[in-house]
Amino acid sequence: AQSVTQLDSQVPVFEEAPVELRCNYSSSVSVYLFWYVQYPNQGLQLLLKYLSGSTLVKGINGFEAEFNKSQTSFHLRKPSVHISDTAEYFCAVSPSNDYKLSFGAGTTVTVRA
Amino acid sequence: NAGVTQTPKFRILKIGQSMTLQCAQDMNHNYMYWYRQDPGMGLKLIYYSVGAGITDKGEVPNGYNVSRSTTEDFPLRLELAAPSQTSVYFCASSYGTGVVGGKLFFGSGTQLSVL
Repeated sequence: AQSVTQLDSQVPVFEEAPVELRCNYSSSVSVYLFWYVQYPNQGLQLLLKYLSGSTLVKGINGFEAEFNKSQTSFHLRKPSVHISDTAEYFCAVSPSNDYKLSFGAGTTVTVRA
Repeated sequence: NAGVTQTPKFRILKIGQSMTLQCAQDMNHNYMYWYRQDPGMGLKLIYYSVGAGITDKGEVPNGYNVSRSTTEDFPLRLELAAPSQTSVYFCASSYGTGVVGGKLFFGSGTQLSVL
């Protein structure tokens, strides 16, 4: 079985400042990793995913994440946030031969002017 | 192209009542899922389906039932509503497994309160 731990439940940040959201996972098999974003009163949207290859993955809206196999982490970063990045962010994992995602508890990012 | 459509958006039930949450997708996806989202808990998988006529339990199936008679529709049934089922419910679909399996398309959710 897989599990995901998001280390921060809430992250306040000022506009144009950088942000990092931390995600650790555990699994006995090889996995795919994902970050989803949920804007207020909406469903989740895929930000980016790691399947294989380069450990630095770029996604939409200027986000990127780095896969670190030795530390079993998949942290999400953005160098300069906007007010519109205020949302809840979910890290997720699935076995590479399966189709069911396990989600973390989420990190709420609040961007202030 | 509507994507994943969920109805209703909001519902209040009394304890013991039953209801069906509707979910339809128009992307011809084989895989469909029902998740519930509780504050601070992330999303938990209730049931999933890999194609018409095939369903299976997820992490938290107790108190729910599903059916998948067509590729497009995947309704979720609550038979005897309980306060513990107060949650936001999301339906999702995807193309399949492997390199394309992780991109789930989500509906906008159903907020259910059981009082």
